[in-house]
Amino acid sequence: NAGVMQNPRHLVRRRGQEARLRCSPMKGHSHVYWYRQLPEEGLKFMVYLQKENIIDESGMPKERFSAEFPKEGPSILRIQQVVRGDSAAYFCASSRQGRDEQYFGPGTRLTVT
Amino acid sequence: GDSVTQMEGPVTLSEEAFLTINCTYTATGYPSLFWYVQYPGEGLQLLLKATKADDKGSNKGFEATYRKETTSFHLEKGSVQVSDSAVYFCALGGDQGAQKLVFGQGTRLTINP
Repeated sequence: NAGVMQNPRHLVRRRGQEARLRCSPMKGHSHVYWYRQLPEEGLKFMVYLQKENIIDESGMPKERFSAEFPKEGPSILRIQQVVRGDSAAYFCASSRQGRDEQYFGPGTRLTVT
Repeated sequence: GDSVTQMEGPVTLSEEAFLTINCTYTATGYPSLFWYVQYPGEGLQLLLKATKADDKGSNKGFEATYRKETTSFHLEKGSVQVSDSAVYFCALGGDQGAQKLVFGQGTRLTINP
């Protein structure tokens, strides 16, 4: 059973470009979470989604960030007009139900130059 | 709001030493508590969990007991190995289960042979 898949593993963008991060949950999991880890810090919750629904986006910056989890295909975290402060590792996690433990992917390391 | 405070690192020990990493939390309700481990360049792996007061989580020789009276969930291992070198994160989830996780800042552990 494949784990949570994230791609790309490393992404370099210049300031002002768009970044798209993808997350495929574990088989049988319909709940997806995105977290951001700044250097030498813990993970910070960003958004919690189920298929076609955003359940909790209380950790998402109000501008430039969006997330979706369509009926078919991976969950996408989109960052428009990236700035240097967006450089971080972005982790996706999935669970079978909202109350179950979360399984994490390997992360996407975004570098904004 | 909910928060987690971990023992500051880095922590360096010799092989076979006893390990304690302190974790205290602030939360409303009755959260679940977790320890995750992150090896270099990888995502987080669930190490152990406890869902109610006085529960003891254990895995791979690591243990932690959910102490509601002291709002603590300290991680312990009797005899560490070089392969235990990693970053350890304490986290809490809502009282309805995992949902969004609140993480501590992480403790980097290095074990010398």
